Amino acid sequence: AQKVTQAQTEISVVEKEDVTLDCVYETRDTTYYLFWYKQPPSGELVFLIRRNSFDEQNEISGRYSWNFQKSTSSFNFTITASQVVDSAVYFCALSDLMDTGRRALTFGSGTRLQVQP
Amino acid sequence: DTGVSQDPRHKITKRGQNVTFRCDPISEHNRLYWYRQTLGQGPEFLTYFQNEAQLEKSRLLSDRFSAERPKGSFSTLEIQRTEQGDSAMYLCASPSGGAPSTDTQYFGPGTRLTVL
Repeated sequence: AQKVTQAQTEISVVEKEDVTLDCVYETRDTTYYLFWYKQPPSGELVFLIRRNSFDEQNEISGRYSWNFQKSTSSFNFTITASQVVDSAVYFCALSDLMDTGRRALTFGSGTRLQVQP
Repeated sequence: DTGVSQDPRHKITKRGQNVTFRCDPISEHNRLYWYRQTLGQGPEFLTYFQNEAQLEKSRLLSDRFSAERPKGSFSTLEIQRTEQGDSAMYLCASPSGGAPSTDTQYFGPGTRLTVL
């Protein structure tokens, strides 16, 4: 069955430090999609990035970058020059096929990031 | 603002009461998901609609839970005879459209349920 593991429960950094959030996943699917969502204290889940399993090219988008390693089933997310507004819970999620052939998201348990001024 | 709205944002109820939540997805999006998020955990899939048809239900969705999507527009999630274990955030997601295999799910603000 699909599973997403975020081993880091909580991370605290000082503003302007870089921080990497780890994500490891399990799936039997050969085509799947990986996501990072941010959940600030207000509670709303905000979509950040999406990656397809068949494209391992890593990218940078502003202060965000991600490292997708299919060989180790990892999808790590890095925030460069962190800011206080980055403080939130970050969720890694996997979209793959359920037994019925339809897709849904499987989330990790989240990593709480605290950025201190 | 993702364009997905949920009502109410907060609901406090006593054990044994029935509650109903509403989700209005992004206009013209024909697919809709419900998730539940308990404290300190990630969201968990509950159910999936394509238009008015409920095509997928998680084992988490006990017989006290029922969801509908009349006319393929807004959706409602009802919990009957609430229990304290039902206390959670209930999230609605509206996929971005296109092929189900490639879409991104955009979430509403959620309804936080507290069962006393």
